[in-house]
This record gives sequence, structure tokens and C-alpha cells, in this order.
Amino acid sequence: QSALTQPRSVSGSPGQSVTISCTGTSSDVGGYNYVSWCQQHPGKAPKLMIYDVSKRPSGVPDRFSGSKSGNTASLTISGLQAEDEADYYCCSYAGSLYVFGTGTKVTVL
Amino acid sequence: QVQLQQWGAGLLQPSETLSLTCAVYGGSFSAYYWSWIRQPPGKGLEWIGEINHSGSANYNPSLKSRVTISVDTSKNQFSLKLSSVTAADTAVYYCARVGEFYMDVWGKGTTVTVSS
Repeated sequence: QSALTQPRSVSGSPGQSVTISCTGTSSDVGGYNYVSWCQQHPGKAPKLMIYDVSKRPSGVPDRFSGSKSGNTASLTISGLQAEDEADYYCCSYAGSLYVFGTGTKVTVL
Repeated sequence: QVQLQQWGAGLLQPSETLSLTCAVYGGSFSAYYWSWIRQPPGKGLEWIGEINHSGSANYNPSLKSRVTISVDTSKNQFSLKLSSVTAADTAVYYCARVGEFYMDVWGKGTTVTVSS
């Protein structure tokens, strides 16, 4: 099972929106509505930001949203803030196993 | 408030067996799967495997021949063993709770270095 493909980096100014893509196959992203997204600050454990493609856990700002089309899932951060600068990883259920994305570094300019 | 506390040896020699344990405090232990994930230095996350309270486990096919995940329900703990380690197994290892197909609670991570 290969890692899901994410852009290495994206950037935006405060207040702007950025979108991160996560491309897999019909065996993972395309086959299940079980894509999640995690945020990871340097030296810290990942934090769940989105699950089941588009649902937000309690406490996650509504600036974070998720979607999916075919074999590609996306995470959009609207109204970018300085504290959003971090690495983001997608993760998909793939039938009795999970696959993570390659990771995207979000930079706030 | 569920918390995961993990521990284990941080420095191993090549060919040794990595051994880590994760204790679950708060919440239900039996209602979830429990997972191990690792992150090599400067690289991305890799799912290692998961187990439930009855001992039913699933593993990453790429590591399956070397991995054993076990559970101790009397202590609300689960453990990871990875045999025949090499430098490529150097990573931060995380334990995590698996909700309905997503990892929603994470431990703080344990750094494991394999070096002679």
C-alpha cells in the first residue's frame, strides 16, 4: 500500500485560504468515506482536525473543512492564522489497514 | 478525558527487538481499537498496526513479518514488539486510539534510536 500523495508545501498570507490535496486510489480514498486529517506542530504529536472526510471534532475551528471527489480528498483552511503553520497529514482507511499521506507543510507568510 | 501514556527502551542495537507499551487512562478500553504509528526523523507518518480488547489485530503488510501487537485488558495497556530492528526503524513511535476509522487521541511519542 503506497502513501497517499500530498503537495510538499503550500503557503498563504494571514486571512487567505489554502487547500491541501490528498490523492490515493479506489482501494483507499476513493473506496471509503473515511479520510481524516491531522495537524502536527514541530516536536508535537499529531492532532485530529477532520474525520469522515468532512466532520470536525469538538474544539476544532470551523475554518478547517474537508471534502472528497473520487480518489482525491482536500483540506481547506479559510482565514489562515499564524497558529495554522504546521505539517498536515491525510489518512485513509483501506480495508483493515490505514494509509497516511506524504505530508504538507503549511507556511503562513 | 482519555490520556495515553507510553514508554519503552529508547536506544537499541541492530537485530534487537523494540518493545513499547501504551497505557490508557480514562474512557472505555474495550470500545475501541488501539494503534501504533511511527515517524522517522524528518519524514511522514507510517501506520504500524492496531488491536482491540479481544486481541484481534491488523498489521501494515510491509511490517507484518516483524510486528506483534498485544493487549493486557487487566491493565488497560497495549504493547508493540518489532523484531530484528535496523537503522531504518529509528523513529518517534506514537500510540493512538482508533475511533470509527480515524485516530483521535494520541500519545506524546517515544523516540527510538537504532545504532551500534
